[in-house]
Amino acid sequence: AQSVTQLGSHVSVSEGALVLLRCNYSSSVPPYLFWYVQYPNQGLQLLLKYTTGATLVKGINGFEAEFKKSETSFHLTKPSAHMSDAAEYFCAVTKYTGTASKLTFGTGTRLQVTL
Amino acid sequence: ETGVTQSPTHLIKTRGQQVTLRCSSQSGHNTVSWYQQALGQGPQFIFQYYREEENGRGNFPPRFSGLQFPNYSSELNVNALELDDSALYLCASSLPVDRGTDGYTFGSGTRLTVV
Repeated sequence: AQSVTQLGSHVSVSEGALVLLRCNYSSSVPPYLFWYVQYPNQGLQLLLKYTTGATLVKGINGFEAEFKKSETSFHLTKPSAHMSDAAEYFCAVTKYTGTASKLTFGTGTRLQVTL
Repeated sequence: ETGVTQSPTHLIKTRGQQVTLRCSSQSGHNTVSWYQQALGQGPQFIFQYYREEENGRGNFPPRFSGLQFPNYSSELNVNALELDDSALYLCASSLPVDRGTDGYTFGSGTRLTVV
């Protein structure tokens, strides 16, 4: 079964500091990995995705993630945090069953950005 | 292009009642998935519809059912509501099932409270 583990349910950084949100995956086949962001009382917005090819993936709002097969990781980073980055972040892996595809999400990491 | 629209945004139901949630998929997307997100948790896959048929289901009881219409819109029906059904219900649409390589476009969700 495929799964993702997000280390740290809450992360707090100062504005301008590096953001690092951790995600490790478990998959018996090459995974397709995603990061989503959820602002309060809203749905999920896709930040970035890894399917094949380049292991460093750039997304929206200055975020990027690197797929490391040897470490089974897909950590999300941003060089300089902004107050508007405060939100809940979810790592997800997709599984294709042959007829359907579904996302399996981690439990989420709440990012707090302080002045 | 329009995104995914869900209705209603909020509703309160009494235990034992039935509820119908609605979703209009993004233009060009013919696959619709439903997720349940309990408070403080990541979304959990309920089921997926493609060409008006359910083609994948998560660990949810039969009282969770759905429909997809020719215009690709969808409904989620929950019978015999239980207190634990209180959650944010998210609809996601995607391009034709293709191993899930594309991200899913999520709606803003319906917040269901069962009392």
